[in-house]
Amino acid sequence: GAGVSQSPSNKVTEKGKDVELRCDPISGHTALYWYRQRLGQGLEFLIYFQGNSAPDKSGLPSDRFSAERTGESVSTLTIQRTQQEDSAVYLCASRLRQRTDTQYFGPGTRLTVL
Amino acid sequence: AQSVTQLGSHVSVSEGALVLLRCNYSSSVPPYLFWYVQYPNQGLQLLLKYTTGATLVKGINGFEAEFKKSETSFHLTKPSAHMSDAAEYFCAVTESGGSNYKLTFGKGTLLTVNP
Repeated sequence: GAGVSQSPSNKVTEKGKDVELRCDPISGHTALYWYRQRLGQGLEFLIYFQGNSAPDKSGLPSDRFSAERTGESVSTLTIQRTQQEDSAVYLCASRLRQRTDTQYFGPGTRLTVL
Repeated sequence: AQSVTQLGSHVSVSEGALVLLRCNYSSSVPPYLFWYVQYPNQGLQLLLKYTTGATLVKGINGFEAEFKKSETSFHLTKPSAHMSDAAEYFCAVTESGGSNYKLTFGKGTLLTVNP
């Protein structure tokens, strides 16, 4: 079946502009995660959604970062007033339901801030 | 808090040689452990995982890993490397019994396979 999809695959923007990144999870997956992968670093957790529960925003690096998810479908990650240090690959993952452990990752969006 | 250390940011082996990628973790609760592989310009693919039960776990593409609680390690091995194994490998940990299973990753090990 279809995996996790993300768009755009690449995004180049100018410092100070806002960007929106999109994630389509696997159908039926109730949990959704955003991670950031900076060059030479492992993945850093950003935010977690589970069904209609309040999201876990503990990994968001600043108030310029926000994310939304409507129900158990698409999620968007928004970065306002982008900075050069925001340049990274942003990966989305989804998981089937509570008490299952495996996350399935999308191909990522490579963000470059000039 | 949890953490993962992957020793060696870059490992180079010859085709047919043993692959050993090291992972040590820190966790205050029993962990679930994962190895993911990332091919160029692709997302992460699960290789294998340890949750409970047998401490030697087998994954895809001939890889296996052993959970050693006393050594807080979860090293990844493959007896004979193939050219197609060239990729970046990430070890990750999450809390068993946790409610969100968010992953803490190591910085990754880039595996090069030489002909």
